[in-house]
Amino acid sequence: GAGVSQTPSNKVTEKGKYVELRCDPISGHTALYWYRQSLGQGPEFLIYFQGTGAADDSGLPNDRFFAVRPEGSVSTLKIQRTERGDSAVYLCASSASGTGSDTQYFGPGTRLTVL
Amino acid sequence: TQLLEQSPQFLSIQEGENLTVYCNSSSVFSSLQWYRQEPGEGPVLLVTVVTGGEVKKLKRLTFQFGDARKDSSLHITAAQPGDTGLYLCAGGTGFQKLVFGTGTRLLVSP
Repeated sequence: GAGVSQTPSNKVTEKGKYVELRCDPISGHTALYWYRQSLGQGPEFLIYFQGTGAADDSGLPNDRFFAVRPEGSVSTLKIQRTERGDSAVYLCASSASGTGSDTQYFGPGTRLTVL
Repeated sequence: TQLLEQSPQFLSIQEGENLTVYCNSSSVFSSLQWYRQEPGEGPVLLVTVVTGGEVKKLKRLTFQFGDARKDSSLHITAAQPGDTGLYLCAGGTGFQKLVFGTGTRLLVSP
């Protein structure tokens, strides 16, 4: 079956622009996670959805970052007024229920470059 | 803030050598996971350990969770070029939010 997919795979934008990153989780997975991975570092948690609602958004760095999952499947991470420091690989993961011993399955990521 | 420090950061070895990667924290985690990540891809789960002192083996890879559930190690026997990648440990407090380590980049040369 299909894994987690993310689009676009690469995004180059200019400082101050708005970007949207999309994540298609594994079909039927109720939990969805966004992480950010800077060069040479491990992924850093941003936000976790259980169904349509954001159960934990404690990792979002500031109010320029926002994520939605309106129908409990596809999620979009939105970044306003991008800054050069936002450049990173944004990873999405999904798991069956987000509880117990669930495994998180990661997508290939979107590489965001802010010029 | 929960932090996981990995050592070494980089490791370059010859095929057939053994190696150990360490993952240490001052925090207690309910579980510890190890992932491998290759360029252009997301991390792929290798193993999950949940009990203090637990040892799990996956072919040539041996994973151990510390007795106090604050640290873990990954030992690879007779490394092969296919083992090359970024190894990440990740701690969980319910599998909902993973705290990833700083990563260990392994290069195994033929």
